[in-house]
Amino acid sequence: AQKVTQAQTEISVVEKEDVTLDCVYETRDTTYYLFWYKQPPSGELVFLIRRNSFDEQNEISGRYSWNFQKSTSSFNFTITASQVVDSAVYFCALSEAWGSQGNLIFGKGTKLSVKP
Amino acid sequence: DSGVTQTPKHLITATGQRVTLRCSPRSGDLSVYWYQQSLDQGLQFLIQYYNGEERAKGNILERFSAQQFPDLHSELNLSSLELGDSALYFCASSVGTGKNTEAFFGQGTRLTVV
Repeated sequence: AQKVTQAQTEISVVEKEDVTLDCVYETRDTTYYLFWYKQPPSGELVFLIRRNSFDEQNEISGRYSWNFQKSTSSFNFTITASQVVDSAVYFCALSEAWGSQGNLIFGKGTKLSVKP
Repeated sequence: DSGVTQTPKHLITATGQRVTLRCSPRSGDLSVYWYQQSLDQGLQFLIQYYNGEERAKGNILERFSAQQFPDLHSELNLSSLELGDSALYFCASSVGTGKNTEAFFGQGTRLTVV
């Protein structure tokens, strides 16, 4: 069955520290997509990245980077030099393949608190 | 701003009542998804519509129903409300269907059942 696990429930760091959010997924499909979303205190869900299962190249976008490893079924997210504005709940999600089209399976989320 | 509009932003109602949540997708998007975010269940997919037709169903209760209208806006109807239905309900839209399309989320409707 498809599943996304974010083992870290809460993380607290001090500004300028680097932080990595872990995501482990399970799927029986060979073609799938992985996503990260950010939910700031205001509540909306903000799309951060999409990665398909055939592209294991790491991606960097400013202070954000993502490490996708199929061998360990992981899609980890690193924030470099964290800032207070990074405080939010971060969700990893998997795009389900069987019998459905495009709906997402979310992990439970990791709440990141960045203290000044 | 994702371009997905949900109304109302907040809703407080009593147990046993019925409410309707509304979603306007981004311009050009044909797919609409509904998700429920609760403290105990997390973010769960409820249902998807594509161009007016139901495409996929998740953990949606029988007391809940949805539809997508010809102008592509969607409504989620929740009836016989229970305290446990209190949650944040998100609508998302995407251009098409398929696992490679990214979904953009609205700001959500926070439903409180008292």
